[in-house]
Amino acid sequence: SAVISQKPSRDICQRGTSLTIQCQVDSQVTMMFWYRQQPGQSLTLIATANQGSEATYESGFVIDKFPISRPNLTFSTLTVSNMSPEDSSIYLCSVGYGETQYFGPGTRLLVL
Amino acid sequence: KQEVTQIPAALSVPEGENLVLNCSFTDSAIYNLQWFRQDPGKGLTSLLLIQSSQREQTSGRLNASLDKSSGRSTLYIAASQPGDSATYLCAVYSGTYKYIFGTGTRLKVLA
Repeated sequence: SAVISQKPSRDICQRGTSLTIQCQVDSQVTMMFWYRQQPGQSLTLIATANQGSEATYESGFVIDKFPISRPNLTFSTLTVSNMSPEDSSIYLCSVGYGETQYFGPGTRLLVL
Repeated sequence: KQEVTQIPAALSVPEGENLVLNCSFTDSAIYNLQWFRQDPGKGLTSLLLIQSSQREQTSGRLNASLDKSSGRSTLYIAASQPGDSATYLCAVYSGTYKYIFGTGTRLKVLA
C-alpha cells in the first residue's frame, strides 16, 4: 500500500494569485497523478507526473496554468496559477501501486 | 471515449437495509474497475478492485460484481450502518495509466 500526504489541506486565495500544492508518498513510485474535483462533480485527471520528464497533460489542461514538478520518486508539486473562482476545487494526488490506485487526502481550494 | 455513469445520484435508507449501487460504462474494453469511498471534504479510499476477468469481489459487508460485456458493475452493501454514509465512486481503467471516474452516488444511512 501507499500512504500519501498533501499540503496544504485547505486554503483560501485571492483571484490572480498562485498556489503550490505538495504531494509526498511514503514509497518510490514511477508515476504520480493529479486530479481535480470541482464542487458536486466527479474526479477529472489533470496530468500525469513522471520523474525525470515533462508531465503529460489531459485535454483542457495546460502547463502554463498547472505547472507540475517531479524532482524525485516520492514527491510532486502542482501549482494552480493566476487563480480565478472557477479554480475552486479539491485537488488530489494519486499513485498506482500494484493494481490499486491510492489517493491523498486532497487540498480544498477556495478562490475569492 | 469511455463514459462512466452511476445511478442513483443520491440515496437515503434506514439503518439495516441492504442496498445496491449501480455503475455503467460505455466501453467494455477495460482492465479493471474499482469502487471508492469518499467522505465529505476528504480524499478517496479504495474499497474493492475487480479485474476484467473476475465476476465479483467481496470485502466484509461489501460485494462488487462486474459484467464487462454489458458494461455494468454493482456494489452491494449489506446491513447498512450510519458509518456507511459517504459518496461512492466507481472508476474504470482502460490503460494509458488513467482511471475514468463515475459521477458518484451520495449515500445517507439514517439511524
